[in-house]
Amino acid sequence: NAGVMQNPRHLVRRRGQEARLRCSPMKGHSHVYWYRQLPEEGLKFMVYLQKENIIDESGMPKERFSAEFPKEGPSILRIQQVVRGDSAAYFCASSSPGAEDYEQYFGPGTRLTVT
Amino acid sequence: KQEVTQIPAALSVPEGENLVLNCSFTDSAIYNLQWFRQDPGKGLTSLLLIQSSQREQTSGRLNASLDKSSGRSTLYIAASQPGDSATYLCAVRPRSSDYKLSFGAGTTVTVRA
Repeated sequence: NAGVMQNPRHLVRRRGQEARLRCSPMKGHSHVYWYRQLPEEGLKFMVYLQKENIIDESGMPKERFSAEFPKEGPSILRIQQVVRGDSAAYFCASSSPGAEDYEQYFGPGTRLTVT
Repeated sequence: KQEVTQIPAALSVPEGENLVLNCSFTDSAIYNLQWFRQDPGKGLTSLLLIQSSQREQTSGRLNASLDKSSGRSTLYIAASQPGDSATYLCAVRPRSSDYKLSFGAGTTVTVRA
């Protein structure tokens, strides 16, 4: 049973370009969470999605950031017109809809570097 | 708003010494607390999860205690090994219905051979 998969593992973008980060949840999981880890800081919640629905995006910056989790395929975190401050590790986690305690299983992360 | 603090930020010990990592949180009304290990450039591996009703959890050389009233958790690693070198994160879930984990910034441990 494969764990949470994220790709790419490393992504380099120049300022102004777009970054697309992908997350495939664990088999049987339909809840996805995105967290961002800035250097020397803890992970911060960004967004919680279920299939085809954004449940909570209270941690997402208001501009340039968007997330989706289509019926088919991985969840995508999209950052438009990247700036240096977007450089961070982005982690995806997933949980089972049947798990009452929402225990989250984390992927290996995507390290985004903006030059 | 829940604030999670981990002190020290970094720790270096000789092999064989016991490790004590601290985590404190400002709001004692938590559902559970989880300790993770993060290796450089890697993801998070869950080590121990303590429910709010529990006082401690053990797994092999690892023991985590929880004192909700004082807002503290401690992770003990016995007889440290160089392979224990990593960053250790604690995360708090505020309520059973709340999926947002609040993370500390971590303690980076180096075990010297």
